[in-house]
Amino acid sequence: AQSVTQLDSQVPVFEEAPVELRCNYSSSVSVYLFWYVQYPNQGLQLLLKYLSGSTLVESINGFEAEFNKSQTSFHLRKPSVHISDTAEYFCAVSGSGNTGKLIFGQGTTLQVKP
Amino acid sequence: EAQVTQNPRYLITVTGKKLTVTCSQNMNHEYMSWYRQDPGLGLRQIYYSMNVEVTDKGDVPEGYKVSRKEKRNFPLILESPSPNQTSLYFCASRLGTGVGELFFGEGSRLTVL
Repeated sequence: AQSVTQLDSQVPVFEEAPVELRCNYSSSVSVYLFWYVQYPNQGLQLLLKYLSGSTLVESINGFEAEFNKSQTSFHLRKPSVHISDTAEYFCAVSGSGNTGKLIFGQGTTLQVKP
Repeated sequence: EAQVTQNPRYLITVTGKKLTVTCSQNMNHEYMSWYRQDPGLGLRQIYYSMNVEVTDKGDVPEGYKVSRKEKRNFPLILESPSPNQTSLYFCASRLGTGVGELFFGEGSRLTVL
């Protein structure tokens, strides 16, 4: 069975500081990995995804994540955060079989302080 | 505008009173799914549908029903709600049935007293 573990439930940082949100997964088959972001009182939006190819993937708002197969990790990073990055972030892995199910981690709340 | 629309957004009800949360998407997506979000547990899949008249259980289907009579709609039915179904519910859809971006509705916060 596949699973996702987000190692931090809350990450407080000051504005303009770097941040890393950690995600580890377990799977016995090839995986596809995703990061979704949930702003307050909104649904989830795709931030970035790894399907194949380059192990470093980037989003349009400065986040990046690196797929590390040997460490079974897909950590999310940003070199300088803004107040507007305050949100909950979910790591997800595609399920096995052909159902296309996404299995989500527990979520990490990023709190950016001025 | 491409979107997934859920109604109601907020609902307070009492134990045993049947309710339906509607979900509609305007993107002609084949795949639709319902998730519930609970603190510390992330999102867990309730039911999913690969296409019209094709539905299957997710990880936490007990106490829920769904139907997919039209491609755009995927209602979630709670026949006899109980307090442990108090949660934030999300409907999501995706083009095709393989791997790809899930598009989420804005959520329906349900409280069962």
